[in-house]
Amino acid sequence: DAGVTQSPTHLIKTRGQHVTLRCSPISGHKSVSWYQQVLGQGPQFIFQYYEKEERGRGNFPDRFSARQFPNYSSELNVNALLLGDSALYLCASSRGIGTDFNYGYTFGSGTRLTVV
Amino acid sequence: AQKVTQAQTEISVVEKEDVTLDCVYETRDTTYYLFWYKQPPSGELVFLIRRNSFDEQNEISGRYSWNFQKSTSSFNFTITASQVVDSAVYFCALKLNRDDKIIFGKGTRLHILP
Repeated sequence: DAGVTQSPTHLIKTRGQHVTLRCSPISGHKSVSWYQQVLGQGPQFIFQYYEKEERGRGNFPDRFSARQFPNYSSELNVNALLLGDSALYLCASSRGIGTDFNYGYTFGSGTRLTVV
Repeated sequence: AQKVTQAQTEISVVEKEDVTLDCVYETRDTTYYLFWYKQPPSGELVFLIRRNSFDEQNEISGRYSWNFQKSTSSFNFTITASQVVDSAVYFCALKLNRDDKIIFGKGTRLHILP
């Protein structure tokens, strides 16, 4: 079975631009979460989507948005990029939420975003 | 507020030595989950262990062992007879039962020297 796949693996953007990151969950998984990991820090929760609805949001500005599609894949969008948005963006999927989340949560390898 | 503290930023040990990574967490919730993840240079977070707040039994898996003590809010991780392949960043994390947000510590970078 394929794991959580994220694309692209690396990209470089200029300040002020917009970026879209993509995540395909494990087959059968309906929940997708996004995390931002700045260099030298632990991952920080950005969003969780379940059945195409936003279920949780972390402490990030409105420049960050996301959505989940009918096939449960997800996009993370960041507008008006700042240098501080440079980070590894991780996606994780789980079969469901609650107990289904606790016992089946898998991370992808991430997208490394560099803003110059 | 919930928090995970990994006081050791970086540790270096010689291969075959034992090493313990410390983790202290804060929460007022009574039901929660604790995790350890390994992050090699490739970036992927590799799940190592999950422990719920009602299970204080220590666990051993091969060269890895975990010591969960609710009295001190600690969930420490020990690698016995370390190997060069154990070199990575290790994260301790906390999840409350009331949502699916995982709260990570800042990580401990472990260097195993040959």
